[in-house]
Amino acid sequence: EVQLVQSGAEVKKPGESLKISCKGSGYSFTSYWIGWVRQKPGKGLEWMGIIYPGDSDTRYSPSFQGQVTISADKSISTAYLQWSSLKASDTAMYYCARPRIGDADAFHIWGQGTMVTVSS
Amino acid sequence: QSVLTQPPSVSGAPGQRATISCTGSSSNIGAGYDVHWYQQLPGTAPKLLIYGNSNRPSGVPDRFSGSKSGTSASLAITGLQAEDEADYYCQSYDSSLSGSVFGGGTKLTVL
Repeated sequence: EVQLVQSGAEVKKPGESLKISCKGSGYSFTSYWIGWVRQKPGKGLEWMGIIYPGDSDTRYSPSFQGQVTISADKSISTAYLQWSSLKASDTAMYYCARPRIGDADAFHIWGQGTMVTVSS
Repeated sequence: QSVLTQPPSVSGAPGQRATISCTGSSSNIGAGYDVHWYQQLPGTAPKLLIYGNSNRPSGVPDRFSGSKSGTSASLAITGLQAEDEADYYCQSYDSSLSGSVFGGGTKLTVL
């Protein structure tokens, strides 16, 4: 079964760093793009960026460029989303998601989400 | 505000038909990029409903259909059921942003 399993909920203070993960299983991890989507409480979906683990080609939404870093470790089939200095406005649910092979757009498979709470 | 505009809410009675619009521009839908639709039930991750404008993934009922024309796309849901009550989002690629974008979302209420 194809799955994306994300790391657990996090509670952090402003200014702290954080790296959340998304582990793929049941498919060839290096052959599919993986994207990240933010959803603030009570709000809509926001496309953050996407990475191709095969060669680490990464694209960011202009809204998130420089604010987060997307990476992947193909040796353990895991993609990451990280912050160097969190802000209260980063409080949100973060989803990783995977398109079909050869596509970087429609997300057919979704992780369960990781809730990140940033509060002093 | 998203570059893809959806109505905040739509409603319909059980058994009726509901449509949700997604209006874009010449840098996304109008440029020929595909539109995809997602359903998000409360407290759950989004689920792909329609991809490539009008294709349904395996397991999605044929009550759900998608279409695209010009700079807009639509999701139609026929035979409304209580379990269709959810948030719906469109998605497309935008060349000016060099990335994908989601619409603001539409809450469907089944009366």
